[in-house]
Amino acid sequence: EVQLVESGGGLVQPGRSLRLSCAASGFTFDDYAMHWVRQAPGKGLEWVSGISWNSGSIGYADSVKGRFTISRDNAKNSLYLQMNSLRAEDTALYYCAKASYFYAFDIWGQGTMVTVSS
Amino acid sequence: EIVLTQSPGTLSLSPGERATLSCRASQSVSSSYLAWYQQKPGQAPRLLIYGASSRATGIPDRFSGSGSGTDFTLTISRLEPEDFAVYYCQQYGSSPPGYTFGQGTKLEIK
Repeated sequence: EVQLVESGGGLVQPGRSLRLSCAASGFTFDDYAMHWVRQAPGKGLEWVSGISWNSGSIGYADSVKGRFTISRDNAKNSLYLQMNSLRAEDTALYYCAKASYFYAFDIWGQGTMVTVSS
Repeated sequence: EIVLTQSPGTLSLSPGERATLSCRASQSVSSSYLAWYQQKPGQAPRLLIYGASSRATGIPDRFSGSGSGTDFTLTISRLEPEDFAVYYCQQYGSSPPGYTFGQGTKLEIK
C-alpha cells in the first residue's frame, strides 16, 4: 500500500524550531519529487516547499524562505522539514505529498499539526 | 506569482444535479500544470484531475476537467452524496517556480 506518514508536530513557542518527518512506503521513493503543503485551521491549502528526487532542485514559498529547510534521505525513504524562527502564522496542519505527473500531488499523508503559541 | 480565483465560494446543489466549478488564473497557465483536488472534512486532499483534463487513478468518470489559458472548469456530471466536499484547483508556475492553490469551492447539499 502506498503510504505517507508524517510526524514531529506539536506545540512550540514563537521563535523556536521544530523538525517534521515523513515516512514513505509502497513506492520507489527516490523516483519522485516530494513536497510539504500546509493548511491553517479552517483555511485553504498552501504549498510550503518541494524537493526533487535527488535533492538537486529545491523550492520554497516566500512565506517560509530563509526559515524552513526541506531535505530527504532516500536510503531511509524519508522527507524532512526543518522549521526555524516559527511564527504564529505557521500554525497549520502540515501534509507531506508525493509529486506525480504534470506537477500534481497524487499521494498525501494525513498530516501533522504544528501549533505556534506562547 | 499567479493567483487562482475559484468561483463560486459555495455551491448548493442536490444529488443528481450537475456541478460546474470555475478556476480563473491571474495570468496564463500551462494546461499541463493545472490540477483539481477534493477534500472532505478531517481528510487529506485527493487528486481528481491533472493536466487540466486527465482523471487520476480511480476517479469516477462523472468528474471531468476542461479549460485553457486563464479559465479552467471542473464538472461533476451527476452529483453523488459522497461528492459534497471542498474542491481546490492548483497550478505550477516556472517563473518564479512554485505552486499555488485556489481558495476553494465548497459544494454543499441543497
